[in-house]
Amino acid sequence: DAGVIQSPRHEVTEMGQEVTLRCKPISGHDYLFWYRQTMMRGLELLIYFNNNVPIDDSGMPEDRFSAKMPNASFSTLKIQPSEPRDSAVYFCASEGGGGGNEQFFGPGTRLTVL
Amino acid sequence: EDQVTQSPEALRLQEGESSSLNCSYTVSGLRGLFWYRQDPGKGPEFLFTLYSAGEEKEKERLKATLTKKESFLHITAPKPEDSATYLCAVQAVTGFQKLVFGTGTRLLVSP
Repeated sequence: DAGVIQSPRHEVTEMGQEVTLRCKPISGHDYLFWYRQTMMRGLELLIYFNNNVPIDDSGMPEDRFSAKMPNASFSTLKIQPSEPRDSAVYFCASEGGGGGNEQFFGPGTRLTVL
Repeated sequence: EDQVTQSPEALRLQEGESSSLNCSYTVSGLRGLFWYRQDPGKGPEFLFTLYSAGEEKEKERLKATLTKKESFLHITAPKPEDSATYLCAVQAVTGFQKLVFGTGTRLLVSP
């Protein structure tokens, strides 16, 4: 398996622009997580899905952030409009839900908002 | 609120110099404690899951242990390739699949 796939790997945009991050989880995994990592706050859970349904979005910082999972093999995290404080590395992770509970992370998307 | 505190923030070792990393936690009922390794520019890589006090797990030069209040990651005779940031996370019984991470320990092993 190729592991969790994220795109793009790097994104540089200007304040006010819309940003869309994409994730393909490991095939057969039924949980998908979106995290944000910064030097100041470390790794924070934004939202997670089970069987394509959002379960906990309490970590989504504000209404500018939205996430969707239209099917078992694809998810997006959208920021509209983007702000400089959104600059961070965004990780997607998936989990098989088979009892092991370990999450497998993608390589991340480094977002810079100018 | 579930919390994880890792210490030290950074640790520098000579090759072969054994040491331990600490992860202190407070959680409303522990479902599992996780250790991850993160290399620069990459996503965290799963190492271990511990479920109950007294449990130990080993992988090569790493051994993770768990008590009711903390976990240790022991590194025996480290090599330069063990240099990375080590992250600890807890999953609460009431938190479903949610992981709460500490800020990590940056380990540098010099040859």
